[in-house]
Amino acid sequence: DVKVTQSSRYLVKRTGEKVFLECVQDMDHENMFWYRQDPGLGLRLIYFSYDVKMKEKGDIPEGYSVSREKKERFSLILESASTNQTSMYLCASTLLGTSGGPEQFFGPGTRLTVL
Amino acid sequence: RKEVEQDPGPFNVPEGATVAFNCTYSNSASQSFFWYRQDCRKEPKLLMSVYSSGNEDGRFTAQLNRASQYISLLIRDSKLSDSATYLCVVNPGGYQKVTFGIGTKLQVIP
Repeated sequence: DVKVTQSSRYLVKRTGEKVFLECVQDMDHENMFWYRQDPGLGLRLIYFSYDVKMKEKGDIPEGYSVSREKKERFSLILESASTNQTSMYLCASTLLGTSGGPEQFFGPGTRLTVL
Repeated sequence: RKEVEQDPGPFNVPEGATVAFNCTYSNSASQSFFWYRQDCRKEPKLLMSVYSSGNEDGRFTAQLNRASQYISLLIRDSKLSDSATYLCVVNPGGYQKVTFGIGTKLQVIP
């Protein structure tokens, strides 16, 4: 089975702190994604990466950066955490499904609270 | 207009009932479609892909209507364990980048 792991399930940080969220997948997937999920807004794409050292902005990249130094690892960085970044953060990696579209495998999520 | 729209619900249905959800999408060039299930405080997981010819997996049936730009999910003989949020997912054609709906919450009542 594909496994996507995230470094923390729960995280509490203070405003202005630098925050690192780590994601690791074990299935040699090229594509990895970071989303945040908020009530009433659903899943929103922050950044994605389709190869090592490659990154693309998603729909809401402001205030975030990413790093992909190894194929299996994709890190999300909050340079200076703010209270409006309190959210559930979900990492995903993709495998091409039989329909030709991407089946996404998600990690368990990190619930980040910024005080 | 949002790229992908879903009624957030909640849909409260008795055990054994049949329930259907729709999801509309705005980009007529969208290529592939999926339903994901998300349990409370858990990550989304793929429920089923949606093919042009429709597809069925046990009590679950998914349909695609390209002319009207919507997909549907039908659940027959609802079980308590079906209680979850069902996310509609559309691939608009971008490289490996999909769009999620906000999800429809289903609560099956004893």
